Parts: sequence; structure tokens; C-alpha cells
Amino acid sequence: AQSVTQLDSQVPVFEEAPVELRCNYSSSVSVYLFWYVQYPNQGLQLLLKYLSGSTLVKGINGFEAEFNKSQTSFHLRKPSVHISDTAEYFCAVMAGANNLFFGTGTRLTVIP
Amino acid sequence: GAGVSQSPSNKVTEKGKDVELRCDPISGHTALYWYRQSLGQGLEFLIYFQGNSAPDKSGLPSDRFSAERTGGSVSTLTIQRTQQEDSAVYLCASSLESGRGSTQYFGPGTRLTVL
Repeated sequence: AQSVTQLDSQVPVFEEAPVELRCNYSSSVSVYLFWYVQYPNQGLQLLLKYLSGSTLVKGINGFEAEFNKSQTSFHLRKPSVHISDTAEYFCAVMAGANNLFFGTGTRLTVIP
Repeated sequence: GAGVSQSPSNKVTEKGKDVELRCDPISGHTALYWYRQSLGQGLEFLIYFQGNSAPDKSGLPSDRFSAERTGGSVSTLTIQRTQQEDSAVYLCASSLESGRGSTQYFGPGTRLTVL
């Protein structure tokens, strides 16, 4: 069985500060890893994904994530956040099956 | 439009009524998924269609829930005898192919409120 843990339900951060949103997963098989973002009153949008190869993945809007197999983590980072980054962020895994297993989400609030 | 569309955007119904939610996937996408986003449960997988294969129904919470996909394109999720705990945002997604890390593109969702 697969599971995804996002330890931080809410993360407030000041504008232009760096941010890290944590994601840990458990799976008995190889996984594909995703980060999705949901802006207020909008649908889910893919930020980035890890399938194979380089463990550092760059996505849209300046976000990046690093796959760490030994720690079963896929943390999302941005060196300098903007007000427009305020949204809910979901980590997800796909392992074997075709559907995504999502974490419970982290609400990022950027403070001016 | 080029994205996944869902209708209606909002649906309010009375407990015990049946509802139908519609999803139009991106043209050419062979895989279609339904998820549910609720306060208590987060984002949950419901059902998955791939081409003409039998759907994966492993996520459906009860036999009141069913879905079909006609002609390999449009899908309808039906909830019979709705209950208050069915209140949630129902999300549809499609992908070009199944598995192998294919990106799923999500629609805006249908917000279902059961009174």
C-alpha cells in the first residue's frame, strides 16, 4: 500500500523568503512523485514530477523538488516566494497502479 | 476549450436524491479518473477508465456510486440516494496514457452539497 504524509498543514512565510514544503511517502514498489498546486477557487495544476533520472526536478514558477530515496522524501522548495504563491500544495505518488495517492495538502500563505 | 471540463460547477441536492456529474476529458486522452476532495478525507481516488478496458472501481466508497464512460470520451459519475457525507468537490482528470507517470490534467471540479 502507498501513503503520503505532508507534515505541515499550514506554512506562513514572508514574501521573498525561502520555503520548503515537506513530503514523505511509503511504498513497497518504485514510485513516481508529483507536486500539484491549487490556487484559490481553481483546479489542481501540476508543478513538477519525478519519474527517473536526476533527483533534482525543476518545475514551473521557480519551484523545485528533490527525490531522496533513502529518506523516502520529495520536499518542495522555492528560494524566494511571491504573494502569488499563496495556494494549497499537494504531494502525490503513483506506484504500480494508475491512480494518484495524495497527501492532505499544505496551505502556503505568503505574508507581505 | 483545451482543458478538462466538468458540469455542473455547483450542485445542491436534497438527501436521498440521485445526482449525475459530467466530465469532458481532453481530446485524445485515453485515461480518465474521478477523485473526491472533502474536508475530512482530503483527495481520494474513486474510479479510473483506460480505453475500452474494464474500469478500476477500487476507490468507490459504496455501491451508491457508479460511473460510465461512453465512446471512450465523456464520463458521468452517478451518486444514488445521496447522503450528507457525499458533500465534496468531485474532480475529474485525464491523461494521454495510463500509468508510467503520465501527467493527469484536472478539471475545475463539481462542488456537491447534500442538504
